[in-house]
Amino acid sequence: SQELEQSPQSLIVQEGKNLTINCTSSKTLYGLYWYKQKYGEGLIFLMMLQKGGEEKSHEKITAKLDEKKQQSSLHITASQPSHAGIYLCGADRAGNKLVFGAGTILRVKS
Amino acid sequence: ETGVTQTPRHLVMGMTNKKSLKCEQHLGHNAMYWYKQSAKKPLELMFVYNFKEQTENNSVPSRFSPECPNSSHLFLHLHTLQPEDSALYLCASSQGATLNTEAFFGQGTRLTVV
Repeated sequence: SQELEQSPQSLIVQEGKNLTINCTSSKTLYGLYWYKQKYGEGLIFLMMLQKGGEEKSHEKITAKLDEKKQQSSLHITASQPSHAGIYLCGADRAGNKLVFGAGTILRVKS
Repeated sequence: ETGVTQTPRHLVMGMTNKKSLKCEQHLGHNAMYWYKQSAKKPLELMFVYNFKEQTENNSVPSRFSPECPNSSHLFLHLHTLQPEDSALYLCASSQGATLNTEAFFGQGTRLTVV
């Protein structure tokens, strides 16, 4: 089974609409990362969350880590075509390993 | 531009060929990683190097052979690959060997095995 479960797998939204992507872990998260990837390219770091209840924002993207540190959400407000891509959550595991969820494909319709 | 450079960006190779992927970073990071991203599969961690020492081999077949000659360079040597090895190979680096540090990714090498 997948260590990090992301939902939904894919998402199509109308430009200007809000959306939320979720990431759930079977283990306590000690470092939760959100990355964005354009198809066929490398990952771009968005945000890192460490503390239960932590919330961070960058431009129109907000990420939260729940108090139990087993679930994170990424919220995009007033989506734009530039937000399209694959969003991946990643988590620290022992031995300096960074593991990832399967990703959420976001398409924004103009 | 993340500071992690991978070459080549695209590679087509036959099953009997030997090729190498290169990753370079001058961010002063001490940990470097190889990931494999196949279609419709999660990003898979392959190898981890901390301070030039391999600390993780995630059950990767021996036809993939990593090399880390110094903390700035990481190679992935490929030999007698299979078509199912076709994927995007991503290199990443991070500061030190501790957790909770951001990883920087290269643009990836798109590998096709024919």
